[in-house]
Amino acid sequence: GAVVSQHPSWVICKSGTSVKIECRSLDFQATTMFWYRQFPKQSLMLMATSNEGSKATYEQGVEKDKFLINHASLTLSTLTVTSAHPEDSSFYICSASFDIYGYTFGSGTRLTVV
Amino acid sequence: RKEVEQDPGPFNVPEGATVAFNCTYSNSASQSFFWYRQDCRKEPKLLMSVYSSGNEDGRFTAQLNRASQYISLLIRDSKLSDSATYLCVVNPILNTGFQKLVFGTGTRLLVSP
Repeated sequence: GAVVSQHPSWVICKSGTSVKIECRSLDFQATTMFWYRQFPKQSLMLMATSNEGSKATYEQGVEKDKFLINHASLTLSTLTVTSAHPEDSSFYICSASFDIYGYTFGSGTRLTVV
Repeated sequence: RKEVEQDPGPFNVPEGATVAFNCTYSNSASQSFFWYRQDCRKEPKLLMSVYSSGNEDGRFTAQLNRASQYISLLIRDSKLSDSATYLCVVNPILNTGFQKLVFGTGTRLLVSP
């Protein structure tokens, strides 16, 4: 149980375009989802926390107008990277909490902006 | 000071060896602690939670020292398949509900034949 499906697993896009990444909780309702970014040889860094039906909470230094998060239902959260640039190339991972102790991760999306 | 600190390694060990990783955390109010394993270009997967009394799962033993604010992971009889990056993860506060996880940079383990 407690599976999060993340799509796409990888994407290559041109600089200036937008990319949407989806995370779905398949067998549980995720009130809260977390979006992380991981650069090579670095740790996962939390970008934002999204709560169903309300605005996402962004970590310091993360541009909310650039990384748009929508959590319109209890099973779906999306991250849209707007006007992507090469420095946005990274591994993006979502996570959902299925109880107060448990977190499950999506399989990640490798974004390459050329 | 980073919230969670780990030695990045890599730790190069032969099969069958015992290896230990340590991790320190800065927030003394932290309540929950975990070790995750991450393979290259994959998502992290929970290896084990860490309890105050220490806990063991097969070849893996986790310990928590609240006074010194460090967490350890011991792997006995290393297998080739143990090669991965081990992430120390801390949940700073528990009693206000779901909270963010803070990840260490990870310790890379390479087990060789």
